[in-house]
Amino acid sequence: EIVLTQSPDFLSVTPKEKVTITCRASQNIGSSLHWYQQKPDQSPKLLIKFASQSISGVPSRFSGGGSGTDFTLTIDSLEAEDAAAYYCHQGSALPWTFGQGTKVEIK
Amino acid sequence: QVQVVQSGAEVRKPGASVKVSCKASGYIFTSHGITWVRQAPGQGLEWMGWITTYNGNTNCPQKFQDRVIMTRDTSTNTAYLELRSLRSDDTAVYYCARVDHGIHAFDTWGQGTMVTVSS
Repeated sequence: EIVLTQSPDFLSVTPKEKVTITCRASQNIGSSLHWYQQKPDQSPKLLIKFASQSISGVPSRFSGGGSGTDFTLTIDSLEAEDAAAYYCHQGSALPWTFGQGTKVEIK
Repeated sequence: QVQVVQSGAEVRKPGASVKVSCKASGYIFTSHGITWVRQAPGQGLEWMGWITTYNGNTNCPQKFQDRVIMTRDTSTNTAYLELRSLRSDDTAVYYCARVDHGIHAFDTWGQGTMVTVSS
């Protein structure tokens, strides 16, 4: 099973700051890494697919990068509405797995 | 628009079974798989398995292989998750989501179904 490790687990950030969340895979997964945002009491929402591909309707301040084993999710100029948990997910090999999540709090 | 809508909350006793439904609309049902993910209270996301809707093939992690049954009904565009021999630690919100077949991203999620297991 491929293990995904996110860091950090928790972030407390001021609006307009830049945020970077990392996701490390226990083996090479190419670009088969996707990011989700889950706001409190809501279902998860696909944010970035295939490591860096944008999703229609998602604000352009969200971007993804990386390949192989190391990936990043970047939020440029954080807004209050970005308070949420963020999860990475690998679709490279079964069983598909998620990272443990990163909770972003707005100061 | 593309959406998947789940059945309502359930309460079961330990040892019982539960079946959750996921009705798809707005796209060709058999062109995308359906996956199941659960989230225990205050915890992260856990992948439970997926079904390829055009042929009914399924795959799930080993920890669920003895207790999970995934099916689909192409006449009603509905996927189902049945979980047997429920335990208290199965208490969670259960989500279905549409799978992008090419890259296995989960691009449309249901609203979630709360399953409570309590004696």
